[in-house]
Amino acid sequence: EPEVTQTPSHQVTQMGQEVILRCVPISNHLYFYWYRQILGQKVEFLVSFYNNEISEKSEIFDDQFSVERPDGSNFTLKIRSTKLEDSAMYFCASREGGNEQFFGPGTRLTVL
Amino acid sequence: DAKTTQPTSMDCAEGRAANLPCNHSTISGNEYVYWYRQIHSQGPQYIIHGLKNNETNEMASLIITEDRKSSTLILPHATLRDTAVYYCIVPYSGAGSYQLTFGKGTKLSVIP
Repeated sequence: EPEVTQTPSHQVTQMGQEVILRCVPISNHLYFYWYRQILGQKVEFLVSFYNNEISEKSEIFDDQFSVERPDGSNFTLKIRSTKLEDSAMYFCASREGGNEQFFGPGTRLTVL
Repeated sequence: DAKTTQPTSMDCAEGRAANLPCNHSTISGNEYVYWYRQIHSQGPQYIIHGLKNNETNEMASLIITEDRKSSTLILPHATLRDTAVYYCIVPYSGAGSYQLTFGKGTKLSVIP
């Protein structure tokens, strides 16, 4: 069964460093998402992406964040200058035309 | 987007049916109800969705009241692996993004 994959599973970085989190959505899906979950808190929407552009973004998704679909398979989230409060699980999701989203296993980001 | 309310937690004996309620009194006529679950910090997993009619798939059944103000997710024979946080969500369809707004959900504990 096709699934969303994410790499790395765990990323440790120093405050102020740039990180890129990678996702491979399900191959025929058209809509892509990033969510994050700070430890012990709710899953929060960050951004949605369709037709090579951002369709919606939350207040969390400020100028430090960017997304890209550099080729036909990868979908990336870049954080330019990480802060301690960026430590969280980051989940990628994708959907076809229907509204059910399929999530990856997540990347745990730890900012020291 | 329609707000949902769910009980904070529930217990269910292994092998018995788990019935998880959700109120969504502000849902509008063309909005679907979706159910997801999250098993211990894994990525959320889509379970089922519905508009008006009751729905069933290999994982669960969804019963929606005639006025559509509430619904119940039924896991017919709960197993220990069904222990998870269950989320009832009415997706926000602005700009076609269908982003998911996760609340605190219901923490279901399946007891041996």
